[in-house]
Amino acid sequence: EVQLVESGGGLVKPGGSLRLSCAASGFTFRNAWMSWVRQAPGKGLEYVGRIRTKTDGGTIEYTSPVKGRFIISRDDSENTLYLQMNSLRTEDTALYYCVTGAYWGQGTLATVSS
Amino acid sequence: DVVMTQSPLSLPVTLGQPASISCRSSQSLVHSDGNTYLNWIQQRPGQSPRRLLYKVSNRESGVPDRFSGSGSGTDFTLKISRVEAEDVGVYYCLQGTHWPLTFGGGTKVEIK
Repeated sequence: EVQLVESGGGLVKPGGSLRLSCAASGFTFRNAWMSWVRQAPGKGLEYVGRIRTKTDGGTIEYTSPVKGRFIISRDDSENTLYLQMNSLRTEDTALYYCVTGAYWGQGTLATVSS
Repeated sequence: DVVMTQSPLSLPVTLGQPASISCRSSQSLVHSDGNTYLNWIQQRPGQSPRRLLYKVSNRESGVPDRFSGSGSGTDFTLKISRVEAEDVGVYYCLQGTHWPLTFGGGTKVEIK
């Protein structure tokens, strides 16, 4: 059974940092493109970024709102995806989902507030 | 960025009746590899999203056959042949052809 379990969310002040993790199991992680998608409270879904497999070059792509502030990485030995979020803004407040193919995690909430 | 426009915003439906959601993209979703990467995502109240359909019309494992997808180019439709209570939620189209991947604004399906 595919499982994606996010963690690391919490309350942080504007300008602060958070590191989210996504522990994956039930599939061959190193062969999967992985993505982060977020959902602000009561709003729709928004892509944050994705990372390809090492076989496919390991390319990382970000959407404009987070480019230069967020960093996606993966540890294939630990089957874990990461999202390092820096210079956080109030508009980054959202539930952050780890996604691969048809599978979504349960999300972890990052709240940016003074 | 590709803009995905869904309609209607809200869709009240009688149980057992059909429902249809439209999704239009601001540019063609035909990829250079010949595939059309248009997905439909369902989010039930209080739950994580899940993918129902991929590449326009392919159902994920476990998705009832009352859900169907059609369309091409820039114009796509999700149909539910007979709405059941468990279908309540928000439905999003998602294009996977062009980076950044973009979602439609969502259509809320509710029971009349």
